[in-house]
Amino acid sequence: AQSVSQHNHHVILSEAASLELGCNYSYGGTVNLFWYVQYPGQHLQLLLKYFSGDPLVKGIKGFEAEFIKSKFSFNLRKPSVQWSDTAEYFCAVIAMNRDDKIIFGKGTRLHILP
Amino acid sequence: DAGVTQSPTHLIKTRGQHVTLRCSPISGHKSVSWYQQVLGQGPQFIFQYYEKEERGRGNFPDRFSARQFPNYSSELNVNALLLGDSALYLCASSSPSQGPYGYTFGSGTRLTVV
Repeated sequence: AQSVSQHNHHVILSEAASLELGCNYSYGGTVNLFWYVQYPGQHLQLLLKYFSGDPLVKGIKGFEAEFIKSKFSFNLRKPSVQWSDTAEYFCAVIAMNRDDKIIFGKGTRLHILP
Repeated sequence: DAGVTQSPTHLIKTRGQHVTLRCSPISGHKSVSWYQQVLGQGPQFIFQYYEKEERGRGNFPDRFSARQFPNYSSELNVNALLLGDSALYLCASSSPSQGPYGYTFGSGTRLTVV
């Protein structure tokens, strides 16, 4: 069965630091990939998604992610984080030609120090 | 334009009781999915309904059931509640016009079983 692994459970950074959150998935076929963010007390919001084409995907709020097929990875990056980026981040995958369900990773809790 | 709405927002139930959670999708969306998010974990897929038919079911016991109505709203029912059913229950709706697998999540229903 397909699965998603997020490398870091809890990350603490200072403002203006660079961010990279790791995500790996297990499925040998074609995938759709997502990063969702959940701000404290709010609902899941889509940050960015990859379906096909350019493996470097740009999302909202200055986030980007790179799909590396050979490494089954879809890492999230931001060059300079802000205090308002404090949230929980979820990597997710849909395995094409299987079903529509989204498989989520366990999440990474990001805490930005002002 | 209303997003995905879920009711109630919070709920406290006793072990052994039954609960019904409700979801109204975005207008025009015909697919509704349900997810369970236990504290500290990523959302886990429970059910997906499309055009009132079940399209997918996650690894949950038969105590969990769902249905979709002609207006595309949906209910999630859980019987014989256990303490471990305490979680945030998320509903997501989608439509082909959003592009493939464009899911929008509601704010969730937080269920506490005591």
